[in-house]
Amino acid sequence: DGGITQSPKYLFRKEGQNVTLSCEQNLNHDAMYWYRQDPGQGLRLIYYSQIVNDFQKGDIAEGYSVSREKKESFPLTVTSAQKNPTAFYLCASTRSSRGAGANVLTFGAGSRLTVL
Amino acid sequence: QKEVEQNSGPLSVPEGAIASLNCTYSDRGSQSFFWYRQYSGKSPELIMFIYSNGDKEDGRFTAQLNKASQYVSLLIRDSQPSDSATYLCAVTLPGGYNKLIFGAGTRLAVHP
Repeated sequence: DGGITQSPKYLFRKEGQNVTLSCEQNLNHDAMYWYRQDPGQGLRLIYYSQIVNDFQKGDIAEGYSVSREKKESFPLTVTSAQKNPTAFYLCASTRSSRGAGANVLTFGAGSRLTVL
Repeated sequence: QKEVEQNSGPLSVPEGAIASLNCTYSDRGSQSFFWYRQYSGKSPELIMFIYSNGDKEDGRFTAQLNKASQYVSLLIRDSQPSDSATYLCAVTLPGGYNKLIFGAGTRLAVHP
């Protein structure tokens, strides 16, 4: 079955450490996204990528970095510069960034990051 | 002013009743509107989306859009305990890239 796989599901980080969250999709979707969700808040966009080797900052990109070397993969690195990284991170994809179905997001199961 | 506003709830309804969830948005240029359901600790899943004014029905779910009043609602008929979840409203902002803005969600509790 096609879908989005995020790993790890749970991750604990010490202050000052960088961590990388994996996101892999086999839906053949062009666009991929990273969102952050904090309790009682909506999803906030960190980074998005419409095509391989291209990505743009979202609303809260500071302290995060991404790469898009393959269509299937869009890893997110949470750097030590992110001051409050404890959150639920969601990776998503869409068939195309424009046109019909452009905004119908398919989500992965999420990764919960806790800073110790 | 928040771009997408939802009452946080919880909205409590008895089993079999109609649950009505509301969402208002601030940008009149928004074109597409989405409802996602999110169970506790899980990722959101799409319920339905609507582009045009009026109603759109899918099974027990009906989305209603009123662009003049800038609100979108979701009705759930014959509510079941399994419908208990947080419902997220999402709206696109106009521009070269259709950015999706999420509300904070309304928690629905359906009691037997």
